[in-house]
Amino acid sequence: QKEVEQDPGPLSVPEGAIVSLNCTYSNSAFQYFMWYRQYSRKGPELLMYTYSSGNKEDGRFTAQVDKSSKYISLFIRDSQPSDSATYLCAMSGGGATNKLIFGTGTLLAVQP
Amino acid sequence: ETGVTQTPRHLVMGMTNKKSLKCEQHLGHNAMYWYKQSAKKPLELMFVYNFKEQTENNSVPSRFSPECPNSSHLFLHLHTLQPEDSALYLCASSQGTGGPGETQYFGPGTRLLVL
Repeated sequence: QKEVEQDPGPLSVPEGAIVSLNCTYSNSAFQYFMWYRQYSRKGPELLMYTYSSGNKEDGRFTAQVDKSSKYISLFIRDSQPSDSATYLCAMSGGGATNKLIFGTGTLLAVQP
Repeated sequence: ETGVTQTPRHLVMGMTNKKSLKCEQHLGHNAMYWYKQSAKKPLELMFVYNFKEQTENNSVPSRFSPECPNSSHLFLHLHTLQPEDSALYLCASSQGTGGPGETQYFGPGTRLLVL
């Protein structure tokens, strides 16, 4: 079983839709949860950062962490064509899990 | 731009060639990383350097040889590569000592094709 599972997509939505991106994980030691956005031919850039459980909102983006279910989500409201990219979840913890463990990424296409 | 630059952006090499990838960070960070990104696979951590000292080698084959002369520069020397080594190689840096929860800033990557 992979430490982090993420549906690779592709996910295609119309402009203005609410997008839900998800990851599940198996290691209960993970404490830090991140979402990176990667445009084509670019490196990943940090989009959202959450410590432990709960929600975090930044503009049109909301990150949710449910540690009891080992499940994290990224919601994008009023999606725009400029949101078209690959979204990578990543997480890390303490001790032996200091490394940042990434999901495979979900390719999102927002159609105008 | 994130403050992390990588050169070259694209590289084609034969299996007997020797080449080097270069990464430079302009953020004043102390930790630098090499990752490999292959299609439909998660980013794979290769090496971590903290204050120029290698703190992690994630069982990377010896045909990949990293070098970190100072906290701002990181190299990946390549020799006798295999076609399966074709991938996007990403460099990243973080402010602290590479501990958990540190935000990593990525460069644009070098797209490597091994023929």
